[in-house]
Amino acid sequence: DIVMTQTPLSSPVTLGQPASISCRSSQSLVHSDGNTYLSWLHQRPGQPPRLLIYKISNRFSGVPDRFSGSGAGTDFTLKISRVEAEDVGVYYCTQATQLPWTFGQGTKVEIK
Amino acid sequence: EVHLVESGGGLVQPGGSLRLSCAASGFTFSNYAMHWVRQAPGKGLEYVSVISSNGGSTYYANSVKGRFTISRDNSRNMLYLQVGSLRTEDMAVYYCVRVGDGYTFDSWGQGALVTVSS
Repeated sequence: DIVMTQTPLSSPVTLGQPASISCRSSQSLVHSDGNTYLSWLHQRPGQPPRLLIYKISNRFSGVPDRFSGSGAGTDFTLKISRVEAEDVGVYYCTQATQLPWTFGQGTKVEIK
Repeated sequence: EVHLVESGGGLVQPGGSLRLSCAASGFTFSNYAMHWVRQAPGKGLEYVSVISSNGGSTYYANSVKGRFTISRDNSRNMLYLQVGSLRTEDMAVYYCVRVGDGYTFDSWGQGALVTVSS
């Protein structure tokens, strides 16, 4: 199974300041079709996760442009340009390149 | 609008079984592979199983293989997960998830809680 490792696991941030989360996979996420199926999810307390970013850097419908994704191969990053109160919760990276699809441990973002 | 509603969760003794259901609406259900993902209380997300759009192909995580069975009824827009030989470590919220373009978990249900306790 591909292991997804996120850092940090906890990120206290100040409103209006940037935040960044890293995700590293145990092997390349480049699929045989040439795509890299790395996504980012956000889960607020008591809610199911929701999709933010797919295929490394594509924002899902309705996702604010303060969220951006980057990376390649085994190293990926989610950035929030200016954190807002609604951004608190847990962020997960996930890979869909190889079954079983796997998730990072999650990074908890909270306001200082 | 895509809508996924799970049901069938509850309290079950170790070794027992349940059938989870997921009612889908707002999209052409038969065109999409569907997945189950679970989340133990206070823990992260764990992949459970997938079924192809026509039901002809399935996959299970090693942790549930031989104990869980995924199925679907495209005529009723329903997804199922039969969970059996339950262990305390199976206690979790089970989410029904649609996978959209780009192999993305693009739509999630609210989840069904399975509690395993004697």
